[in-house]
Amino acid sequence: ILNVEQSPQSLHVQEGDSTNFTCSFPSSNFYALHWYRWETAKSPEALFVMTLNGDEKKKGRISATLNTKEGYSYLYIKGSQPEDSATYLCARPTQGGSEKLVFGKGTKLTVNP
Amino acid sequence: ETGVTQSPTHLIKTRGQQVTLRCSSQSGHNTVSWYQQALGQGPQFIFQYYREEENGRGNFPPRFSGLQFPNYSSELNVNALELDDSALYLCASSLRPLALIYEQYFGPGTRLTVT
Repeated sequence: ILNVEQSPQSLHVQEGDSTNFTCSFPSSNFYALHWYRWETAKSPEALFVMTLNGDEKKKGRISATLNTKEGYSYLYIKGSQPEDSATYLCARPTQGGSEKLVFGKGTKLTVNP
Repeated sequence: ETGVTQSPTHLIKTRGQQVTLRCSSQSGHNTVSWYQQALGQGPQFIFQYYREEENGRGNFPPRFSGLQFPNYSSELNVNALELDDSALYLCASSLRPLALIYEQYFGPGTRLTVT
């Protein structure tokens, strides 16, 4: 069974703080890791798709790293803003080249002004 | 380019009833996946349709069924509703096989409450 774990479950930070959270997954048969950002009452929005060990991707103040050998990915947010408040989900395909994703439970980030 | 849309937004049904949820794919996408998100859980894969055929199924009973239409829109049908079916149902569309990594685009979901 493919399990994807995320920690912490929730996080409260002050505006301007930098923060990070973790996604852990089985390293065997790795193909890709997806990160999504999900604001309340909206659609989950794709942030990154990562495939290579050592990959680092960046989108504005948000970046992610990937370690496929040990089975983890970190998501970093630099200088958090209230609009960063959302649930951040990571997901791994059930098999190579598949879009059938197994999701973690998410990390709910709240950025206080 | 229109995004993924779902209808209805919210729905309340009684145990034992049947429900149909609808999804319109992003323009040009030929694959639709359905996910169930129960409270406190991540989305769980229900099944996927590609070119009107089921293309993989998660651990859900047969009373969860689906359809994909020639315009690639899709329906999720659930028969004999149970209280545990109360959840947010998400659909996601993607384009295959052109994309090597299948990015999925999600709709906002349908909130189903079974009483």
